[in-house]
Amino acid sequence: DAGVTQSPTHLIKTRGQQVTLRCSPKSGHDTVSWYQQALGQGPQFIFQYYEEEERQRGNFPDRFSGHQFPNYSSELNVNALLLGDSALYLCASSLVGANYGYTFGSGTRLTVV
Amino acid sequence: DAKTTQPNSMESNEEEPVHLPCNHSTISGTDYIHWYRQLPSQGPEYVIHGLTSNVNNRMASLAIAEDRKSSTLILHRATLRDAAVYYCILRGDYKLSFGAGTTVTVRA
Repeated sequence: DAGVTQSPTHLIKTRGQQVTLRCSPKSGHDTVSWYQQALGQGPQFIFQYYEEEERQRGNFPDRFSGHQFPNYSSELNVNALLLGDSALYLCASSLVGANYGYTFGSGTRLTVV
Repeated sequence: DAKTTQPNSMESNEEEPVHLPCNHSTISGTDYIHWYRQLPSQGPEYVIHGLTSNVNNRMASLAIAEDRKSSTLILHRATLRDAAVYYCILRGDYKLSFGAGTTVTVRA
């Protein structure tokens, strides 16, 4: 059973560019969340999608946007990239509700130069 | 967000038990206590979660205090593969709020 699949695994972009990261959730999961993890820190919540709607958003600017498709897969878009956006971006899937654990992907390492 | 407090680091010897404490004095009645671990260069991995009662699975045990203001993750026999950052997280309806976690080192 495949877990959470993220693509690409690594990415290098230039300041000011736009990037799209993709995530396929674990089979059977209907909720997708995105996290940003800077080097040496814990993951920070960006937003969560359920039924193609953004349910909750963390403290991230509007440059960060997302989408969930009918097959539950998701995209994270970041516009006008800054050097500080360099991080590991993690996708996590779950069933809706607090009584379920999350399954995380291995992440996309984004480097902004 | 309800906060958790964990020690920065812990060391253990291989094949010995590891007890990882977590304080969460502001926990609400509907918050579940989740534990995840993260190995270098990997995404976090689910370990265990619970609400009120102690929980066991193949990876670990979770002991929850009666007042739910603290909990302990127990790795029964540490192996070198258990060396990781362990996060104690309170999950409400939506997100997981990660703190700095506890870095566990296992000595051979």
